[in-house]
This record gives sequence, C-alpha cells and structure tokens, in this order.
Amino acid sequence: NAGVTQTPKFQVLKTGQSMTLQCAQDMNHEYMSWYRQDPGMGLRLIHYSVGAGITDQGEVPNGYNVSRSTTEDFPLRLLSAAPSQTSVYFCASSYAGDGRGNTEAFFGQGTRLTVV
Amino acid sequence: AQSVTQLDSHVSVSEGTPVLLRCNYSSSYSPSLFWYVQHPNKGLQLLLKYTSAATLVKGINGFEAEFKKSETSFHLTKPSAHMSDAAEYFCVVASWGYQKVTFGTGTKLQVIP
Repeated sequence: NAGVTQTPKFQVLKTGQSMTLQCAQDMNHEYMSWYRQDPGMGLRLIHYSVGAGITDQGEVPNGYNVSRSTTEDFPLRLLSAAPSQTSVYFCASSYAGDGRGNTEAFFGQGTRLTVV
Repeated sequence: AQSVTQLDSHVSVSEGTPVLLRCNYSSSYSPSLFWYVQHPNKGLQLLLKYTSAATLVKGINGFEAEFKKSETSFHLTKPSAHMSDAAEYFCVVASWGYQKVTFGTGTKLQVIP
C-alpha cells in the first residue's frame, strides 16, 4: 500500500523556471492538499481539493496552481519560481469521515525545493 | 477562525523522564485535534487524534493527550522518553470536512542520554 507518493524528492530550480510537483494517492481519498513547511512556521496550506474537479485556495496560494482531474492525482505547479518559494512541500490526503471532520490526513514524504 | 499555539519551540528531556509538549487552540467549531510527529528529513506521521469521543486519547509509541475544553488545551505526554522520540511534533486543529486545517509551529523534542 503506497499511500501518498510525492515526486521528486529534491529539486533545484532557477528563478523564473516553472515546474510541477507530483502527488498521487491510492487510498481513494476525497480530500487532497498541499502544504509548505518553513522553519518556525509549521505547515501552511497552499491549495486543497475536496474532490475531482474541485479546488480552492489555502493560506498561501500566490505563485502556485493546482488541478484535480482524477481522484488519485493532485499536482502543484509553480508558474515562475522565486527564491521565496524555497521550502519543503508536503502533499496530504484524507477521507471525509463522518462529515464532522472525524478523519485524519496522510502525508507524503515531502519535496525539498531550492530556488536559486 | 481557528488558531493553534505550541507553547514551546524546543523541549529537552533526559531519557527515561516524562515528556510534556503543550498545545492550546481556539476554534469557532467543535474541532478535531491531532498530534503529528516528524523525524528528520521524513514526512509527518499521525501520533493520535481527538474527535469528540473520549477526552483522554492514547496514541502510538506510548504517547497520549488529554483534551481539556475549559482550558482549550491538548497537551501531549509520555511517561518515559526514549531516544527514538527525538523529533519535531506538530499540534493540528482541523474543522469540518478537514478543509480548515491549522498547524502549530512545532516543538522540537531533544532527548538526552
């Protein structure tokens, strides 16, 4: 059971380049989300999706795009990389539970991105 | 609106002594509360969760947490620290549908031999 798989694990980009971080889950979870982790700031929500075809912005969405064409995949696109986007990115998936939030999130291993 | 405050950014304990990691929260809704652990260069692993059932929640690796509504706290404890507990711990508040998720800033636990 693979759970949540993120690729790549490491990436170095030049300022202005674009790239896509991949995230796939095999648990048939409705919810998927992307976070960035910066020292002393915990994890901050970038974008999330509550199902195929439905996405919404989180706390720090600027500079990122997402789409959800299938239940399994939730790629994160950096449109024009900036040094401020140097961070560790985590993808997570979760199930709807009983509709009252009684659920949990499963996290990928992270992508460490450096923008120079 | 919701928020999470982890009261200590670093905690240092000796091996075999108790661990206390403190978390206070605020939420407009009845929240679900979680503790996740992150070992160096690893992803996040769920330790335990509170979802309005028993207020004392037991998790993996001997950790437990008590939900105290009157104090809006969800502190994480372990009776006896082990070297393998050295990691960063995150308290998380999540409201309905898991669409509102707020992470604390993390507490790094150091275990001294």
